[in-house]
Amino acid sequence: TQLLEQSPQFLSIQEGENLTVYCNSSSVFSSLQWYRQEPGEGPVLLVTVVTGGEVKKLKRLTFQFGDARKDSSLHITAAQPGDTGLYLCAGAPRGTGFQKLVFGTGTRLLVSP
Amino acid sequence: KAGVTQTPRYLIKTRGQQVTLSCSPISGHRSVSWYQQTPGQGLQFLFEYFSETQRNKGNFPGRFSGRQFSNSRSEMNVSTLELGDSALYLCASSWDKNTEAFFGQGTRLTVV
Repeated sequence: TQLLEQSPQFLSIQEGENLTVYCNSSSVFSSLQWYRQEPGEGPVLLVTVVTGGEVKKLKRLTFQFGDARKDSSLHITAAQPGDTGLYLCAGAPRGTGFQKLVFGTGTRLLVSP
Repeated sequence: KAGVTQTPRYLIKTRGQQVTLSCSPISGHRSVSWYQQTPGQGLQFLFEYFSETQRNKGNFPGRFSGRQFSNSRSEMNVSTLELGDSALYLCASSWDKNTEAFFGQGTRLTVV
């Protein structure tokens, strides 16, 4: 069974601080996605990383895929209250691709003004 | 372009009853996957349908079933509901297995 562990589970910070969320597995994934989810809503796709070592930037968010495609990180610079939410990483296993995603345990972020 | 639509948004059922949830994928998408999200287990894969055929299945009991219609709309059914089936049920659609999946808003099922 493929598992994705995220750390930390909870993060409460002040506006303007930087943070990093980690997503780790012992399994190799063909790609990895990051989602943000608001309470009672579905996850919204932020980014997909495919190549080992790949770095993608989305405004203040920086995503990195590990060289061995087993881990990923999400770094937020100068966090804002609008960044509050549940961040989920999801791996696409080889063979089944995006149709059978393995989700991480989630990181709940609270950014206070 | 309309997103993934799930109906109903909220549902309350009694133990032992059955329930059917519906998912309309993004126009042109042929794959629909279903997930269950609970506070304790997180997001877990239920099953995936492509062109009316179940292509992948997760580790859930046979009480959970689904189907897909020729217009790619999908339904999932849970029979003999248990309290532990209370969850947010999410569906995601994609064009094919090598393209990204987009989620609907989910159906919140409460079993009392």
